[in-house]
Amino acid sequence: SQELEQSPQSLIVQEGKNLTINCTSSKTLYGLYWYKQKYGEGLIFLMMLQKGGEEKSHEKITAKLDEKKQQSSLHITASQPSHAGIYLCGADGGSWGKFQFGAGTQVVVTP
Amino acid sequence: DAGVIQSPRHEVTEMGQEVTLRCKPISGHNSLFWYRQTMMRGLELLIYFNNNVPIDDSGMPEDRFSAKMPNASFSTLKIQPSEPRDSAVYFCASSPGTGGFTDTQYFGPGTRLTVL
Repeated sequence: SQELEQSPQSLIVQEGKNLTINCTSSKTLYGLYWYKQKYGEGLIFLMMLQKGGEEKSHEKITAKLDEKKQQSSLHITASQPSHAGIYLCGADGGSWGKFQFGAGTQVVVTP
Repeated sequence: DAGVIQSPRHEVTEMGQEVTLRCKPISGHNSLFWYRQTMMRGLELLIYFNNNVPIDDSGMPEDRFSAKMPNASFSTLKIQPSEPRDSAVYFCASSPGTGGFTDTQYFGPGTRLTVL
């Protein structure tokens, strides 16, 4: 089965600084999703990437899917306290069907 | 739009008891998903339905778990008998299409289950 590895597991960033989270797949990605969650609460959909080389932005969050469609990065510019939470990538593996999530990256934003 | 509705929000029960979790998807959505989340295992897909029909239940941990979707506006996840290791937050999600995971999934607030 496909595995999704997220890195780092957690990070602490000072308010105003940039941060990047990576999600690497063992197989070709047919759809890569990014979500934000506060633990134990529902997931907030951020964006979905499907095409190799695709890049999408929403406010200060940008996500990219590399050309080979096996890795995605999520970049937050000028982080704010509202960006704190757990970010999860999720992947649709196409023919193998089962949707899977990465383990998540906990983001802490300090003053 | 009310979003995905789950009930109860919190459930505490004793080992061996039956537990039923309920979900009302967003009106007009054609797919419904059940997930479980724990600190140890992260977020896991249990089962999903397209047009009320179960498509993939390979994530259901064992026979103690069962899920039904009798109509487009209601689904249940039942655990019988419950065990302490079933303690987790259970999420229900719905999406507008039937394309599996190529549609955006909208998550409910979750049910926090504690089995003593």
